[in-house]
Amino acid sequence: QKEVEQNSGPLSVPEGAIASLNCTYSDRGSQSFFWYRQYSGKSPELIMFIYSNGDKEDGRFTAQLNKASQYVSLLIRDSQPSDSATYLCAVPNQAGTALIFGKGTTLSVSS
Amino acid sequence: EAQVTQNPRYLITVTGKKLTVTCSQNMNHEYMSWYRQDPGLGLRQIYYSMNVEVTDKGDVPEGYKVSRKEKRNFPLILESPSPNQTSLYFCASSSPITSERDEQFFGPGTRLTVL
Repeated sequence: QKEVEQNSGPLSVPEGAIASLNCTYSDRGSQSFFWYRQYSGKSPELIMFIYSNGDKEDGRFTAQLNKASQYVSLLIRDSQPSDSATYLCAVPNQAGTALIFGKGTTLSVSS
Repeated sequence: EAQVTQNPRYLITVTGKKLTVTCSQNMNHEYMSWYRQDPGLGLRQIYYSMNVEVTDKGDVPEGYKVSRKEKRNFPLILESPSPNQTSLYFCASSSPITSERDEQFFGPGTRLTVL
């Protein structure tokens, strides 16, 4: 069974700073990685997807994949209080029938 | 609007009283799934369905049933709920989940309390 590990946090950053969230995974063969954002009491919302072909940027978000060290990170530039949420890292299971989620990192951005 | 809907959103019930949580999607997705989310345990898959009449167990299927008679609907059935099934439940749908084009969409969640 694949495993996905994240620091639970909370990670606290001031408004305007860069928030860096990390996720490690157990299966060296994993190629697809998802980052979801979840506000308290709400459903997960996909914010980034990265495949094995390197970094990906979308607005203030950058996902970075380091296959040698088996970790994927999410950078949030110019952090805003509205970014305060739990960020979930996920990888597909080997059968492609489910996403395996980490327990999430809680981010708090103070104004 | 593309969406996954769940009903009810909140439910308080008693041990042993059968209940059904409905899930419906309007995106013509083949794949649907149920997850539960618990503090400290994260999101765990209960059951999934790859298409109509095709369902299979996820990681935590005990105490749950599902059916997929229509492509858009995937109800979750608790025949005899117990307090350890108190949780936040999410239904999700997508086309195959491993490609960049196929985001897994989540419903708004159902918060279930079993007394």
